[in-house]
Amino acid sequence: AQSVTQPDIHITVSEGASLELRCNYSYGATPYLFWYVQSPGQGLQLLLKYFSGDTLVQGIKGFEAEFKRSQSSFNLRKPSVHWSDAAEYFCAVGDNTNAGKSTFGDGTTLTVKP
Amino acid sequence: GAVVSQHPSWVICKSGTSVKIECRSLDFQATTMFWYRQFPKQSLMLMATSNEGSKATYEQGVEKDKFLINHASLTLSTLTVTSAHPEDSSFYICSASRDSKNIQYFGAGTRLSVL
Repeated sequence: AQSVTQPDIHITVSEGASLELRCNYSYGATPYLFWYVQSPGQGLQLLLKYFSGDTLVQGIKGFEAEFKRSQSSFNLRKPSVHWSDAAEYFCAVGDNTNAGKSTFGDGTTLTVKP
Repeated sequence: GAVVSQHPSWVICKSGTSVKIECRSLDFQATTMFWYRQFPKQSLMLMATSNEGSKATYEQGVEKDKFLINHASLTLSTLTVTSAHPEDSSFYICSASRDSKNIQYFGAGTRLSVL
């Protein structure tokens, strides 16, 4: 069965600093990988996705993620964090044999210090 | 594009009553819709997957008679929490997918409080 691990429950960074959120997955084939962001009391918004091809994917709001098959990782990065980036971030892996269904990690809460 | 509307955003009800939550894809046809439950500071727990015109597929441990899902059209799915009790209080989120590549578009969620 597929699974997703986000090792960091909570991360605090200063505004303007760089950010990396970790995500490790377990899946038997080439996965579909996603990062979503959730603001308090809201649904989730897709930041970026990986299906195939270039392993470095660009997303919205200046985020990027790199798929590393050898490490089973899909870490999210941003070179300079803004206060508005404070939110909950979820990594997800899609089961490409079960159309549409995804498994989500437990999430990482990002706090941004002024 | 790919907007999903979820209504209501917040509902308070008495124990024993039923509550219906609607999930609509506004600008696309959703081949599949998903219903999740989220507890505070926790991840999303998939409750069920529904396709238009067919019965929903429930995840293990989710009572299908308790959480009724109807997917009447390619743009509308409803979740009815029947005979709600305080332990059903939670944040319920729907999402919709329009292709086989697992991209899900989420509603804003419904906070259910059962008194």
